[in-house]
Amino acid sequence: GAVVSQHPSWVICKSGTSVKIECRSLDFQATTMFWYRQFPKQSLMLMATSNEGSKATYEQGVEKDKFLINHASLTLSTLTVTSAHPEDSSFYICSARDWGRGRGTGELFFGEGSRLTVL
Amino acid sequence: SQQGEEDPQALSIQEGENATMNCSYKTSINNLQWYRQNSGRGLVHLILIRSNEREKHSGRLRVTLDTSKKSSSLLITASRAADTASYFCATVRSNFGNEKLTFGTGTRLTIIP
Repeated sequence: GAVVSQHPSWVICKSGTSVKIECRSLDFQATTMFWYRQFPKQSLMLMATSNEGSKATYEQGVEKDKFLINHASLTLSTLTVTSAHPEDSSFYICSARDWGRGRGTGELFFGEGSRLTVL
Repeated sequence: SQQGEEDPQALSIQEGENATMNCSYKTSINNLQWYRQNSGRGLVHLILIRSNEREKHSGRLRVTLDTSKKSSSLLITASRAADTASYFCATVRSNFGNEKLTFGTGTRLTIIP
């Protein structure tokens, strides 16, 4: 099946630093990727929709200057958490739709997630 | 905002028993999907049911959808220890390809060997 890869799978950083998380579609092209955030034992909250070649669409309440999203190619989207603080510690998950296989069904393929801990 | 709420929040059953999880949502939908998440991992798609369908099967999974009540249920029959995970329902409101999924609160299922 389709594979979506995230890197790093976990990262620890100091407060005030920036952290970049990559999301790659390994065997298909993804014009759209989605970034979710998940707190422990809670559901996934959509943060933004990443569009290849254009600006990301952010959900209400998500600071676009805080969470920078870049979708420079059809296989890569990046999420940069700028000036990270302990409250940004969370599990970040990306997903992408494979138009070749998922078209019309709404099925998404998810990365394995990236756990961010800000000290 | 959360579209759906799932019930129960947590469920523990003996291996071999059936597990039923319920999901309620608030707005009209195009389809509803169920996902599984092992602890600390990504999500795996289990099954999709469209708004004009009432029941769907996939292996040991059975999903029902009642659009009049805005609710869905996921039944896992003959549960196994490996079924231990969190299960989320997710709704799609339109049939446009880029429509986002909105996830429910999830049910943490524990299968006791």
